[in-house]
Amino acid sequence: QQQVKQSPQSLIVQKGGISIINCAYENTAFDYFPWYQQFPGKGPALLIAIRPDVSEKKEGRFTISFNKSAKQFSLHIMDSQPGDSATYFCAAIYYSGGYQKVTFGIGTKLQVIP
Amino acid sequence: DVKVTQSSRYLVKRTGEKVFLECVQDMDHENMFWYRQDPGLGLRLIYFSYDVKMKEKGDIPEGYSVSREKKERFSLILESASTNQTSMYLCASSLGQGGEKLFFGSGTQLSVL
Repeated sequence: QQQVKQSPQSLIVQKGGISIINCAYENTAFDYFPWYQQFPGKGPALLIAIRPDVSEKKEGRFTISFNKSAKQFSLHIMDSQPGDSATYFCAAIYYSGGYQKVTFGIGTKLQVIP
Repeated sequence: DVKVTQSSRYLVKRTGEKVFLECVQDMDHENMFWYRQDPGLGLRLIYFSYDVKMKEKGDIPEGYSVSREKKERFSLILESASTNQTSMYLCASSLGQGGEKLFFGSGTQLSVL
């Protein structure tokens, strides 16, 4: 049972275009939603994150949109560049009994073509 | 910068062997995690630990165990390796309560023949 559903699994975007990756969750106990970026041969690294009391967060060309009522959030990459080609994971975190549990989506492999 | 070090980048083992994957972090983080990464399945949580000698099962703990005797070290153990445990294994760490950012190692690609 996948607690965080991510789509699409792969995405090809022209340089300068907008890349959009979507995630949905069921568990309302989640209270932090990060996105991770992974380049080949490396571990994932935190890209941007949002809390559910905020509808949007922007950092440079990367924006998270959050819809609490629909239990959905998405990553938008504006002016996509070939250097953005990587695998992107959405995640959701909840805290319980003093620890945090982090659940990831299946990942989206983004290719930005010149 | 936080450093999470996994002892091996590539590992080849035989079916039935006992396998130890080691992970060390240098930032005094309370939380440590083991994930496996498989194409089309993403990152799946195997076990996590929020304190020394404390451990919690993740979503796919079957066939695995863990050990955390020291705060900086978290070991993943495959008691009897099987071919379906061939995968990329990623270790991560984070601060305690309120420390949401995970720091990942570069991963260990394990092949079980």
